[in-house]
Amino acid sequence: QSVLTQPPSASGTPGQRVTISCSGSSSNIGSNSVYWYQHLPGTAPKLLIYRNNQRPSGVPDRISGSKSGTSASLAISGLRSEDEADYYCAVWDDSLSGSWVFGGGTKVTVL
Amino acid sequence: QVQLQQSGPGLVKPSETLSLTCTVSGGSINSYYWAWIRQPPGRGLEWIGHIYDSGITYYNSSLKSRVTISVDTSKKQFSLRLRSVTAADTAVYYCAAKVVTVGYGFDPWGQGSLVTVSS
Repeated sequence: QSVLTQPPSASGTPGQRVTISCSGSSSNIGSNSVYWYQHLPGTAPKLLIYRNNQRPSGVPDRISGSKSGTSASLAISGLRSEDEADYYCAVWDDSLSGSWVFGGGTKVTVL
Repeated sequence: QVQLQQSGPGLVKPSETLSLTCTVSGGSINSYYWAWIRQPPGRGLEWIGHIYDSGITYYNSSLKSRVTISVDTSKKQFSLRLRSVTAADTAVYYCAAKVVTVGYGFDPWGQGSLVTVSS
């Protein structure tokens, strides 16, 4: 059971907008920056969003992140076939001695 | 541009020790901290722990009693040792770098190493 809760799946047709939620608590999302990673099978995870809503260079602006309170979300607009992947939220959790925690992951399917 | 290259055996016997090494190239080892993250088959990502170039470590509490992460700054390498492994430790293991400054994510990652625990 992950500390961060994500829906197991999401889907959309090409061109649509898909949103993935990530729910946490005051000790993690409520206190620290949220990160999002894209993971394609057989490859290393790729950083998509840092500091809640910042995109590293090379990540298209149709990818966006937001945070409010103890929840965060990732939005993919203009859905493309290459967006089909697993997406994970991650955040530092201040409880106990501190730890990085990941959401359970959301599989995005392009129909 | 920092790059990470992982190495280590892909098969470990139950009760033995899993050992992986990650070699850093193209960047300064003291601008980052260095992490190990794994993904068991069919499951999500799990942070194992991380280490600063000073040697300070943070570990996942569920693995803390069995894990050691170390760093050799002269070789620009950091390593993972996981003792007393069982089939539940079968996973793809990734090394990853994170800029020390708060607000940056794990980037880049190593290529991943599938480690199977089996006799």
